[in-house]
Amino acid sequence: AAGVIQSPRHLIKEKRETATLKCYPIPRHDTVYWYQQGPGQDPQFLISFYEKMQSDKGSIPDRFSAQQFSDYHSELNMSSLELGDSALYFCASSLVQGANTIYFGEGSWLTVV
Amino acid sequence: AQSVAQPEDQVNVAEGNPLTVKCTYSVSGNPYLFWYVQYPNRGLQFLLKYITGDNLVKGSYGFEAEFNKSQTSFHLKKPSALVSDSALYFCAGGTHTDKLIFGTGTRLQVFP
Repeated sequence: AAGVIQSPRHLIKEKRETATLKCYPIPRHDTVYWYQQGPGQDPQFLISFYEKMQSDKGSIPDRFSAQQFSDYHSELNMSSLELGDSALYFCASSLVQGANTIYFGEGSWLTVV
Repeated sequence: AQSVAQPEDQVNVAEGNPLTVKCTYSVSGNPYLFWYVQYPNRGLQFLLKYITGDNLVKGSYGFEAEFNKSQTSFHLKKPSALVSDSALYFCAGGTHTDKLIFGTGTRLQVFP
C-alpha cells in the first residue's frame, strides 16, 4: 500500500539559508500534518491542512510557512534557518471522514550548520 | 489543554516475558488514542488505535492496548516480548479531526 512520501530524506543547510520540505500524502487522504522532532524529543505539532486550507496551527515559528496544493501534496518552507531548527520533520496524512488513522512518513532530516 | 503522559522513560523486559508500556491521557470529549513505534533513524509506524467500540484493541506485531476510561489510560501490552520489539514507543491522543498530541516516548529494551 502507498505510504506518505517525504522528500528530501536528508538536507544540510547553513544558517540563514532557506529549506523546503515536500510531502505527498497517501492517495485520497484529505488532511496533512507537519511535526518536528528534535533529538531525543517527542514529535511537536507544527501545522495541519484539511482540503487545502490551514486547519490548525501549533508551535510553528514565524520563519516557517506551509501550504497544501491542489493535488494535496504539501510543502514546508523554512527561512532564516537557525541551528536549533536541526530536527527530523515528519509529515502525516489521514482521511478525516474515514477511519482517521494518521499515518506518518519516514521523515526529512534537516541539519543546519 | 489536552495532554498525553508516558510516565516511564524506559521499560526493560526479558525476551518471552509480557510487556506493558503505560500511557495516560487528558482529552476532552471522546478521545482518539494511538500507539506508534519508532526504530532508530526511522519514521513513526502505526501500531494500533482506539476510537470507539471494544476497550481491548489489537494491533500489529502482536501488540494490544486496553482503553480504560475511568483511569484515563491506554496501556500498550504484548504477551511475549521479542528482542526485535526494542524501540521507542509513543502514545498519542486527540479528538476527531484534531491534531495528535504525543507523549514523551518510552524506550523499550528487550533483553535476550
